[in-house]
Amino acid sequence: EDKVVQSPLSLVVHEGDTVTLNCSYEVTNFRSLLWYKQEKKAPTFLFMLTSSGIEKKSGRLSSILDKKELFSILNITATQTGDSAIYLCAVLPNNAGNMLTFGGGTRLMVKP
Amino acid sequence: EAGVAQSPRYKIIEKRQSVAFWCNPISGHATLYWYQQILGQGPKLLIQFQNNGVVDDSQLPKDRFSAERLKGVDSTLKIQPAKLEDSAVYLCASSLVRHSDTQYFGPGTRLTVL
Repeated sequence: EDKVVQSPLSLVVHEGDTVTLNCSYEVTNFRSLLWYKQEKKAPTFLFMLTSSGIEKKSGRLSSILDKKELFSILNITATQTGDSAIYLCAVLPNNAGNMLTFGGGTRLMVKP
Repeated sequence: EAGVAQSPRYKIIEKRQSVAFWCNPISGHATLYWYQQILGQGPKLLIQFQNNGVVDDSQLPKDRFSAERLKGVDSTLKIQPAKLEDSAVYLCASSLVRHSDTQYFGPGTRLTVL
């Protein structure tokens, strides 16, 4: 059974801090890893990672994948209160279906 | 481009009652997913449709949950009868094609079973 574990469970920082969120996984026949941001209810897509060592970057957010050690990190620099959300990591196996397996998420709170 | 639409946004019922949720995916998206997200956990896939056919429903509790997508567009998810442990947010997502890695989520329906 595919498994995704995220850490920490929750995190409180102040504006301007840099945070690193962790995601480790076990999946049969890995295809890709995805990061989502969930504020209120709907998860919104951030990144999709398929290759090791290639950093994906969008503004203050960046992410990288290590397929050998089976983990990914999501970095947020110069955090803002608007970054407060649950960050979800999910893995997609390379099979006939399209079943995402999600981790439990990291709840980030950024204080002014 | 309009996103994934879901209704209702909130629903409160008593245990043993029935409830139905509706989802309208992004126009042109062939694949539709229903997820259950219990408080404090990540979303768990319940069922996946490709057009109007079921691709995977292995994690759907079929004794009480059912879903359909008769015309390959809108979908409904029903729970009958509901149990306390069904309290969760029910998220609908869609993707353009079956093997698309990017799924777009709707706002969800928060169900509370009393």
